[in-house]
Amino acid sequence: AQKVTQAQTEISVVEKEDVTLDCVYETRDTTYYLFWYKQPPSGELVFLIRRNSFDEQNEISGRYSWNFQKSTSSFNFTITASQVVDSAVYFCALSELNDYKLSFGAGTTVTVRA
Amino acid sequence: DVKVTQSSRYLVKRTGEKVFLECVQDMDHENMFWYRQDPGLGLRLIYFSYDVKMKEKGDIPEGYSVSREKKERFSLILESASTNQTSMYLCASIPLLRTGGDTEAFFGQGTRLTVV
Repeated sequence: AQKVTQAQTEISVVEKEDVTLDCVYETRDTTYYLFWYKQPPSGELVFLIRRNSFDEQNEISGRYSWNFQKSTSSFNFTITASQVVDSAVYFCALSELNDYKLSFGAGTTVTVRA
Repeated sequence: DVKVTQSSRYLVKRTGEKVFLECVQDMDHENMFWYRQDPGLGLRLIYFSYDVKMKEKGDIPEGYSVSREKKERFSLILESASTNQTSMYLCASIPLLRTGGDTEAFFGQGTRLTVV
């Protein structure tokens, strides 16, 4: 069975600080997909990034970057130079090949103070 | 833009009532899901459907049922609402892809249900 763990419950930072969110996953499949979603106070989950298990290349997209390491089953997400609008709950999620069901972590609440 | 619309943002129902939560998507997606979100537990899958009139139990189906009579609509039914079903309910849809799973889910805005 697949499982996603986000050990950090809450993170509070001052604006312009970097924030790194940890995500550790478990799966028996060799092909799987990892996601990060953001849930602002309005409630709707917004897709941020996606990675498949064959692509460990880490990338930067604007202020977002991610570090995918299969050796440690981790998929960490970093917000650089945080802003107040980044305040939200962030979820890490996993799905397996040909199985569209998502398994979510418990979420990390990020508060960015001005 | 893909749009997933849930019929209500907030609902208050009494214990024992039959409750219907409606979800409609406008992008012809085959896959639809109902999740429940509780603090500290993340999102947990209640039911899902990969096709019209098809339904499968998720991780926490007890006390719920679903209906999918049309491709665009997926309804969650609380047969007899109880206080422990007070929660945020989120509907999602995902297109069927040849690559199987390599696509994001599109979520509705959520329905915050309170059972009193």
